[in-house]
Amino acid sequence: DAGVIQSPRHEVTEMGQEVTLRCKPISGHDYLFWYRQTMMRGLELLIYFNNNVPIDDSGMPEDRFSAKMPNASFSTLKIQPSEPRDSAVYFCASSFGQPNEQFFGPGTRLTVL
Amino acid sequence: QQPVQSPQAVILREGEDAVINCSSSKALYSVHWYRQKHGEAPVFLMILLKGGEQKGHDKISASFNEKKQQSSLYLTASQLSYSGTYFCGTTGEAGTALIFGKGTTLSVSS
Repeated sequence: DAGVIQSPRHEVTEMGQEVTLRCKPISGHDYLFWYRQTMMRGLELLIYFNNNVPIDDSGMPEDRFSAKMPNASFSTLKIQPSEPRDSAVYFCASSFGQPNEQFFGPGTRLTVL
Repeated sequence: QQPVQSPQAVILREGEDAVINCSSSKALYSVHWYRQKHGEAPVFLMILLKGGEQKGHDKISASFNEKKQQSSLYLTASQLSYSGTYFCGTTGEAGTALIFGKGTTLSVSS
């Protein structure tokens, strides 16, 4: 298996623009997680899905952030409009069952100018 | 509630041992340990479920004291490859999401 796939790996955008991050989990995994990592705040859980259904989105910073999982093999995290404080590395992870080992994707480094 | 890790940073010479602690103010169901190297994604080390078990993985092992709501990660005879940031993550109940601590940075030099 190729592991968790994220795209793009790097994104540079200007304040106010829409940003869409993509994730393909490992086939057969039923949990998908979106994390944000910054030096100041560490590794924060934004939202997670079980069988494509959002279970807990309490970590989503504000209404500018939204996430979807239309099927078992694809998820998106959208930021609209983006702000400089959204600059961070965004990780997607998946697992089979919970609690269980989470497999992280390589991350998307987002820079908002 | 975010778990608290200590120390924040550790500097070792090859062959030395280290202990990283993780504590929570709430009851724990599971403790997870991950290691992240600079510029890479976190990688799973081990998971401990409530019951006071201890697990081992090469020269890295961990314990979980559910009564004290604490876990410790033990790295023995450290190697250069052990360098990185170690995160503990905790869940309060079965099926709930993992909350990560702020991490402990381990630097091993020759």
